[in-house]
Amino acid sequence: QQQVKQSPQSLIVQKGGISIINCAYENTAFDYFPWYQQFPGKGPALLIAIRPDVSEKKEGRFTISFNKSAKQFSLHIMDSQPGDSATYFCAASKPRGSTLGRLYFGRGTQLTVWP
Amino acid sequence: DSGVTQTPKHLITATGQRVTLRCSPRSGDLSVYWYQQSLDQGLQFLIQYYNGEERAKGNILERFSAQQFPDLHSELNLSSLELGDSALYFCASSVVGDNQPQHFGDGTRLSIL
Repeated sequence: QQQVKQSPQSLIVQKGGISIINCAYENTAFDYFPWYQQFPGKGPALLIAIRPDVSEKKEGRFTISFNKSAKQFSLHIMDSQPGDSATYFCAASKPRGSTLGRLYFGRGTQLTVWP
Repeated sequence: DSGVTQTPKHLITATGQRVTLRCSPRSGDLSVYWYQQSLDQGLQFLIQYYNGEERAKGNILERFSAQQFPDLHSELNLSSLELGDSALYFCASSVVGDNQPQHFGDGTRLSIL
């Protein structure tokens, strides 16, 4: 059973546009929500993360929006660039003492930014 | 560069064989995690070690085992390999603490012929 559901599976955006990737979860015990970026031949790299006590976190062109009541969170990439073309994964983790930080990943979104 | 080193990068072997994948965590990281990435299942957690001890298990097959050594490097052993074991295997490491970021290596691509 997929504990974190991610959509869309693929996304094509024009350069300068906004890329939006959505994720949803069911388990209210999750309290840490990172996003990872993966380029071909490389491992996932942490992009940005949020905890459920805040509704938004911004780092440069990347913003996470978090809706605790809806159990949804999303990644917004502003002014998308061809170099942002990669696969993006949302993930969730439970607090220490349960399963000690293992990440539950969404299935990934392949983003293509056209120049 | 994440600081996590995985070897080998590629491994090609046959069904029924046994292989060992190696991971060196970032300096100072005591926790090591193993994940499997496949088209069918996506990124799936296999097992976690902390300072030499097993701490959490995911959907890891009984044919698979892992260990973490005193120098903190970890090895994932896969035996009686099947075609379906073909996948990317990633190691990640983190420091101690609640929800500390996990830093991933570039993986080992395992191909079973």
